Amino acid sequence: AQSVSQHNHHVILSEAASLELGCNYSYGGTVNLFWYVQYPGQHLQLLLKYFSGDPLVKGIKGFEAEFIKSKFSFNLRKPSVQWSDTAEYFCAVIGETGRRALTFGSGTRLQVQP
Amino acid sequence: ETGVTQTPRHLVMGMTNKKSLKCEQHLGHNAMYWYKQSAKKPLELMFVYSLEERVENNSVPSRFSPECPNSSHLFLHLHTLQPEDSALYLCASSPSDRKSSYEQYFGPGTRLTVT
Repeated sequence: AQSVSQHNHHVILSEAASLELGCNYSYGGTVNLFWYVQYPGQHLQLLLKYFSGDPLVKGIKGFEAEFIKSKFSFNLRKPSVQWSDTAEYFCAVIGETGRRALTFGSGTRLQVQP
Repeated sequence: ETGVTQTPRHLVMGMTNKKSLKCEQHLGHNAMYWYKQSAKKPLELMFVYSLEERVENNSVPSRFSPECPNSSHLFLHLHTLQPEDSALYLCASSPSDRKSSYEQYFGPGTRLTVT
């Protein structure tokens, strides 16, 4: 069975600080990895995704994530956060075989203070 | 309107009521999903439909009954719910359930409160 762990449940940063949110997954085979974001009052939307190739993927709004296969990790980063990045961030995984839908982590609530 | 829409956005129902949640996708996708988002818990997959056929039921109680009359519409029929069923119910769609690299597009959700 696949599972996802997000270690930071609530992160508070000041504007211009750097961000790194941890995500570790458990799955024995090839995986595809996603980060979704949920802004206050809005629906979940895709931030970035990894399928194969370059393990450093870039997404929207200056976010990037690095897939480290040996560590089963897919951490999300942004060099300089803005107040508008305040949201909840979800890491998700889907295996190449087996379940057809995403397995999500419990989410990290990011609060950026002006 | 584009994307994935859900109605109603908010619903309050008693434990003896029967209600339905509706999801509609305007993306031409073939797979649709129901997820449950409870406070402080990961999103939980409930059902997967592919080309109107239910292909996955993630051990969901029978008081939740999905229906997919066509590839654009997905319903979740609710009856005799419990207070612990209060949550945000999210619908999603993707081009296919067969290729895991297809991203899923989510609707805004229905906030359900069971009293």
